[in-house]
Amino acid sequence: DAGVTQSPTHLIKTRGQQVTLRCSPKSGHDTVSWYQQALGQGPQFIFQYYEEEERQRGNFPDRFSGHQFPNYSSELNVNALLLGDSALYLCASSGGTSYTGELFFGEGSRLTVL
Amino acid sequence: AQSVTQPDIHITVSEGASLELRCNYSYGATPYLFWYVQSPGQGLQLLLKYFSGDTLVQGIKGFEAEFKRSQSSFNLRKPSVHWSDAAEYFCAVGARSGGYNKLIFGAGTRLAVHP
Repeated sequence: DAGVTQSPTHLIKTRGQQVTLRCSPKSGHDTVSWYQQALGQGPQFIFQYYEEEERQRGNFPDRFSGHQFPNYSSELNVNALLLGDSALYLCASSGGTSYTGELFFGEGSRLTVL
Repeated sequence: AQSVTQPDIHITVSEGASLELRCNYSYGATPYLFWYVQSPGQGLQLLLKYFSGDTLVQGIKGFEAEFKRSQSSFNLRKPSVHWSDAAEYFCAVGARSGGYNKLIFGAGTRLAVHP
């Protein structure tokens, strides 16, 4: 049973560019959340998708947007990249018929903005 | 507002010694509490969780945690640390409403283990 998978694992962008990160949830899960983890900090909630809609959003600007597809996979898009967007971006899945409140995390996409 | 505080940024213990990592939370209702571990370059792995019931919860890898409502704490313990336990540990509080389960994390405690 595959867990949460994310791609790409590493990427380098320059300021002003745009980036798309992808996530496939654990089998049977229908909810995807995205977190940003800056170096030396705990993960910060960006937003959560359920039934292809953004259900709740953290304190992040509109440059951060997302999408969920009918197969429950998800994308995180960041426009007009800033140096401060450099971080590990974690995707987490949950829900389905055996919902326990636990989030299952992928290994993350490490974004470096130069 | 919900928040989590992990007072210790770094902790170093000797292999075989006992371990306690502190976590304090701020939350208006009954909290859902979690401990996750992150090895370098890896995602987060759940160690244990508390939703209700027995305030002493057992997790994987020999870890346990005790929920103390009066102290707003959820400290993680292990009686004998192994070198492979060196990692970063995150405490988190969750809000659950209609299935929505956002987590708020502390800043983490980095554990080093001396041989």
